Amino acid sequence: DAGVTQSPTHLIKTRGQQVTLRCSPKSGHDTVSWYQQALGQGPQFIFQYYEEEERQRGNFPDRFSGHQFPNYSSELNVNALLLGDSALYLCASSLGLAAHNEQFFGPGTRLTVL
Amino acid sequence: AQSVTQLDSQVPVFEEAPVELRCNYSSSVSVYLFWYVQYPNQGLQLLLKYLSGSTLVKGINGFEAEFNKSQTSFHLRKPSVHISDTAEYFCAVSPLSGGYNKLIFGAGTRLAVHP
Repeated sequence: DAGVTQSPTHLIKTRGQQVTLRCSPKSGHDTVSWYQQALGQGPQFIFQYYEEEERQRGNFPDRFSGHQFPNYSSELNVNALLLGDSALYLCASSLGLAAHNEQFFGPGTRLTVL
Repeated sequence: AQSVTQLDSQVPVFEEAPVELRCNYSSSVSVYLFWYVQYPNQGLQLLLKYLSGSTLVKGINGFEAEFNKSQTSFHLRKPSVHISDTAEYFCAVSPLSGGYNKLIFGAGTRLAVHP
């Protein structure tokens, strides 16, 4: 049973560019959340998708957007990249929106903005 | 709003010694509590969680944590650590209400186990 997978593993972009990160949830999971983990910090919640809709959003600008597909996979898009967007981006999946449901994390995508 | 404070950014300890990683939280609503571990170049793995019931929670790899509502704490303990426990540990909370599943993390504690 494959866990949460993310692609690509690493990515290097320059300021002002746009980037798309991808996530496939654990088999049977229908909810996907995205987190940003800056170096030396804990993960910060970006947003959560369920039934192809954004259900909750953290304190991130509109440059951060996402999408969930009918097969529950998800994309995170970041426009107009800034140096401060350099971070590890983690995708997590769960079964449903209940707060007690365990979130399973992928290995992350390391984004470097030059 | 919720916030999580992990009181130690780094904890060095010798192999087979006991360890405690401290976590305090603040929230205006009831929350569930979690501890996650992150090994180098990997995602996060759930160690244990407190939802309700007994305040002493046992998790994987011999870890346990105790929920203290009056002190709003959820400290993680292990009676005897191994070299393989070297990793970053994150305490997190998730609000019960709201109809969504959102984790708020602390800044992490780096546990370094020395031989």
